[in-house]
Amino acid sequence: GAVVSQHPSRVICKSGTSVKIECRSLDFQATTMFWYRQFPKKSLMLMATSNEGSKATYEQGVEKDKFLINHASLTLSTLTVTSAHPEDSSFYICSASSIERNGNNEQFFGPGTRLTVL
Amino acid sequence: QKEVEQDPGPLSVPEGAIVSLNCTYSNSAFQYFMWYRQYSRKGPELLMYTYSSGNKEDGRFTAQVDKSSKYISLFIRDSQPSDSATYLCSQSGGYQKVTFGTGTKLQVIP
Repeated sequence: GAVVSQHPSRVICKSGTSVKIECRSLDFQATTMFWYRQFPKKSLMLMATSNEGSKATYEQGVEKDKFLINHASLTLSTLTVTSAHPEDSSFYICSASSIERNGNNEQFFGPGTRLTVL
Repeated sequence: QKEVEQDPGPLSVPEGAIVSLNCTYSNSAFQYFMWYRQYSRKGPELLMYTYSSGNKEDGRFTAQVDKSSKYISLFIRDSQPSDSATYLCSQSGGYQKVTFGTGTKLQVIP
């Protein structure tokens, strides 16, 4: 159990376009979803935390108008990279947690989305 | 100072060796310590977690937290080629923010 999927797994887009990445919890309802980005040989960097039905909380330095997060239901969160630029190329990973499911602070991670902006 | 510091490696060991992976952390208030394993081009998966200090064992894996020295360790016994991955240590104070180390890349050579 505790499966989190992401779609697409890879995306290549032109500079200036917008890209939407979906994160779904397949077998549980996620109270909270998190979005991370990871550069090669670097740590996972938390971008934002989102709770279903409320606005996302962004980490310092993350532009909320550039990285739009929507958490419309307990099983789906989306990250939209608006007006993408080559420096936005990265590995984006979502995770989900559920207070009801576990009490050990575990986050279940998706497989990640590789974004390449040309 | 980074909240969680980890040697990025890479670390190469022969099959069957005991592997020791280590991290230091700075936030004494956070009580949850986790180790994640990440295969290339995949999302991380939880390997071990401990609450507060002490040891926790699961099969070939042992997680250890020393709060006096702010040190987190993961030991892998009888290492296998399938253990080759990047290991991320992390720390959290609750259901919200988890802070990760940079990860240590491990290669177990057959």
